Amino acid sequence: GEDVEQSLFLSVREGDSSVINCTYTDSSSTYLYWYKQEPGAGLQLLTYIFSNMDMKQDQRLTVLLNKKDKHLSLRIADTQTGDSAIYFCAEDPGAGSYQLTFGKGTKLSVIP
Amino acid sequence: DVKVTQSSRYLVKRTGEKVFLECVQDMDHENMFWYRQDPGLGLRLIYFSYDVKMKEKGDIPEGYSVSREKKERFSLILESASTNQTSMYLCASRQGANTEAFFGQGTRLTVV
Repeated sequence: GEDVEQSLFLSVREGDSSVINCTYTDSSSTYLYWYKQEPGAGLQLLTYIFSNMDMKQDQRLTVLLNKKDKHLSLRIADTQTGDSAIYFCAEDPGAGSYQLTFGKGTKLSVIP
Repeated sequence: DVKVTQSSRYLVKRTGEKVFLECVQDMDHENMFWYRQDPGLGLRLIYFSYDVKMKEKGDIPEGYSVSREKKERFSLILESASTNQTSMYLCASRQGANTEAFFGQGTRLTVV
């Protein structure tokens, strides 16, 4: 079956870069997503990458995709206290599938 | 601004009560989902619906039922609430494969 894995916790100092890693198992995934959940709130889409891309950059966010190793990472440059949240990786199996498969989430704590 | 709205942010119910959690989306999405979120376990899918009056069991359907009488509304029902159903419940909607999932703000349910 499909399984998406992430480490549960990451702690970084304000101003440093954060790197959150994710591995997935479905090689036919079309899109891979990063969602952010702030305390007490629902999930919001942060960014995504199409499976035929290696990298996507969006301001402070860089997504790297290694399809051979089924590895996805999210880098946040100049991490701020407002980036403290849980970050979920999710894979989209594509046509014929209704749902995304989520990892358990990585809780990012930013130390001032 | 697209929205998924859950009827309550916080609920406290007694053991044995019948509990209704309501979710409404305004995006005309085909697919709707109910998840529960617990620390260390990530998001677990309870039920989803791919059309009006259609439903499918997710990973943890025991103790829950759902109703989708109208396209925009998806209800989660706890037939007889128990303390182990104390959790954060998240509703989501999505048009289909290769599209973003949108989440409600969550309902934190406490069963006493």
